[in-house]
Amino acid sequence: DSGVTQTPKHLITATGQRVTLRCSPRSGDLSVYWYQQSLDQGLQFLIQYYNGEERAKGNILERFSAQQFPDLHSELNLSSLELGDSALYFCASSVNRMGPDSPLHFGNGTRLTVT
Amino acid sequence: GQNIDQPTEMTATEGAIVQINCTYQTSGFNGLFWYQQHAGEAPTFLSYNVLDGLEEKGRFSSFLSRSKGYSYLLLKELQMKDSASYLCAAGEISSGSARQLTFGSGTQLTVLP
Repeated sequence: DSGVTQTPKHLITATGQRVTLRCSPRSGDLSVYWYQQSLDQGLQFLIQYYNGEERAKGNILERFSAQQFPDLHSELNLSSLELGDSALYFCASSVNRMGPDSPLHFGNGTRLTVT
Repeated sequence: GQNIDQPTEMTATEGAIVQINCTYQTSGFNGLFWYQQHAGEAPTFLSYNVLDGLEEKGRFSSFLSRSKGYSYLLLKELQMKDSASYLCAAGEISSGSARQLTFGSGTQLTVLP
């Protein structure tokens, strides 16, 4: 158990809808990262937050947004969903925003299916 | 930006040794990580290298050459449970001191009896 909690585990929704994925980082971790993993692709970095502030952006679509709250949990909002958004969405946390000796610890992911 | 290359698939026999290679190109290099991921599960951290050389952790070892942009993960005494995808990931310090971790597509290792 990595200590990172993601809910829900599975989500099935229709095209055009909006969903919210939730992540609670490990106790003491200030950084939260969101990754997308499609069937035929590797882990694609979406966005990073550190102590409530956005720190880095990857290949995140404009239809997607995220935030980190004062209690350090994070939410990833996906709107105007398309079939291609079906994927595993992972949240990861680490102790600090930089530093080579701080590996990411991943949650079990949310499997999103858009029909 | 970063570019990470690793073989797509590898097959080895139980009890054998296998080496999974990874090459990377990055600016602001900040460490090389290896993760293991079983199908449909979360990636789990295996090893980390920031300096050149070999890091050994039980049956798993990882090597880094920064001048060559090259790393490998060495798995000894393979067990059936080692069948998984192995992800190479390079850390990069980007603007504003934020660290990004970019993953390769993973090497699917199949261990045969």
